[in-house]
Amino acid sequence: DAMVIQNPRYQVTQFGKPVTLSCSQTLNHNVMYWYQQKSSQAPKLLFHYYDKDFNNEADTPDNFQSRRPNTSFCFLDIRSPGLGDAAMYLCATSRGRDTAYEQYFGPGTRLTVT
Amino acid sequence: DQQVKQNSPSLSVQEGRISILNCDYTNSMFDYFLWYKKYPAEGPTFLISISSIKDKNEDGRFTVFLNKSAKHLSLHIVPSQPGDSAVYFCAASAYNTDKLIFGTGTRLQVFP
Repeated sequence: DAMVIQNPRYQVTQFGKPVTLSCSQTLNHNVMYWYQQKSSQAPKLLFHYYDKDFNNEADTPDNFQSRRPNTSFCFLDIRSPGLGDAAMYLCATSRGRDTAYEQYFGPGTRLTVT
Repeated sequence: DQQVKQNSPSLSVQEGRISILNCDYTNSMFDYFLWYKKYPAEGPTFLISISSIKDKNEDGRFTVFLNKSAKHLSLHIVPSQPGDSAVYFCAASAYNTDKLIFGTGTRLQVFP
């Protein structure tokens, strides 16, 4: 089945130690998104790629970076995680700008910062 | 500034009855609205959507109603089933943008 895969499902990192979360998709979608979701809050868009075109949200901290080496893969790099970065990180895809409404989500990676 | 609001964090409904989940928005540029359903340990999955040119969209047991003048939409599930127990997110998008703005979610519990 076509899907959005996130690895790992659970990630523990130390304060200040760089961490990378990965997302892959078999849907061949043009757009890939990264969201941060904290407990009882709405998923918050960090950035997204339309093909190779990177779009950063204005309030996304510089500590968060992303890479999309090809259509299938997208990475979220947190350069120096703080305790406040502990959250669920969701990857999503959509076919294109005219169909961006219907996004397909992965299961998420829960990040713990110790 | 929360542009999409789900003011009820939880809702409990008996099996077979109607579940009504509400969502309010503030941005008049939103023209497409979606509901997502999320089970524990899974990502949100798309459930149903509605364009601003409509006021109702129905898909089986699920119906979404849109009241543009009130900037309000609701999701009706009838009859409710125990498998409907999940967190439901309302989301909105403005024309020609790549982005969805999500509400904080409502946890629905359907009990026998």
